[in-house]
Amino acid sequence: DTGVSQDPRHKITKRGQNVTFRCDPISEHNRLYWYRQTLGQGPEFLTYFQNEAQLEKSRLLSDRFSAERPKGSFSTLEIQRTEQGDSAMYLCASSLTGLWTTEAFFGQGTRLTVV
Amino acid sequence: DAKTTQPNSMESNEEEPVHLPCNHSTISGTDYIHWYRQLPSQGPEYVIHGLTSNVNNRMASLAIAEDRKSSTLILHRATLRDAAVYYCILSSTTSGTYKYIFGTGTRLKVLA
Repeated sequence: DTGVSQDPRHKITKRGQNVTFRCDPISEHNRLYWYRQTLGQGPEFLTYFQNEAQLEKSRLLSDRFSAERPKGSFSTLEIQRTEQGDSAMYLCASSLTGLWTTEAFFGQGTRLTVV
Repeated sequence: DAKTTQPNSMESNEEEPVHLPCNHSTISGTDYIHWYRQLPSQGPEYVIHGLTSNVNNRMASLAIAEDRKSSTLILHRATLRDAAVYYCILSSTTSGTYKYIFGTGTRLKVLA
C-alpha cells in the first residue's frame, strides 16, 4: 500500500464550474477526513467519515460542498459553483481508529485554483 | 476544543538539537498531545504523540511537563530535511470529536 492518494494533484477551474476530487485512503482504514488549507494557515477540518457514514461536518462546509464515501472505501469531495475563495489545498487523511492513540495519514493534497 | 500556542518560527543549525515548544494551558486530563509536521508541498506527516509520559520514537522525542500545560518536541540532530512547519495538536477522547484542530504551527528553518 502506497499510502493515501489524491487525484488530481492540481486543478484549475473557472469560477462557477463544478469540481470533484477523489481520495483513496489506506485500504484497512475505516476513518477518512477532509481538510482545507490556505496559504500560511494550518489545515482546517471540513468533514469526517467512519466507513460510509458522514459523522461530522464543519460549518465551513457550505451547501455548495458535498462529500461521499460509498461503500466505505474511496471518497469524493465535490464543490459546486466554485468561487475564488474556494482556492486552496484540499487534503484527505485516513486512520484506523480514533485519532487519540493512532496516527492519521495524509495525502499530498489537491491544489485548487479558481480563476 | 483546547487550544495550543506555538512560536511562529524557529531556526536551528544542522546537526544540532532542536526544541520546539508548545503551550496548552487548557488541556484536559483526557487530551492527547500530537505533533505533525508538514514539508513544503506535502500533506502533514505524523511525528509523535503522548498523554502523560515522555515518548521517544525514531523521529523525535516528546517531553511533557508534569502539569501537562506544555510540551516540547525534540529533534535530536536537525537535518536540512527537517525544515518544515511543525504542528502541536490536542485530541480529546471525551468530546466525541474525531478531528484535529491545527493552529498555524512553528516554521522550522535549518541552517547548513
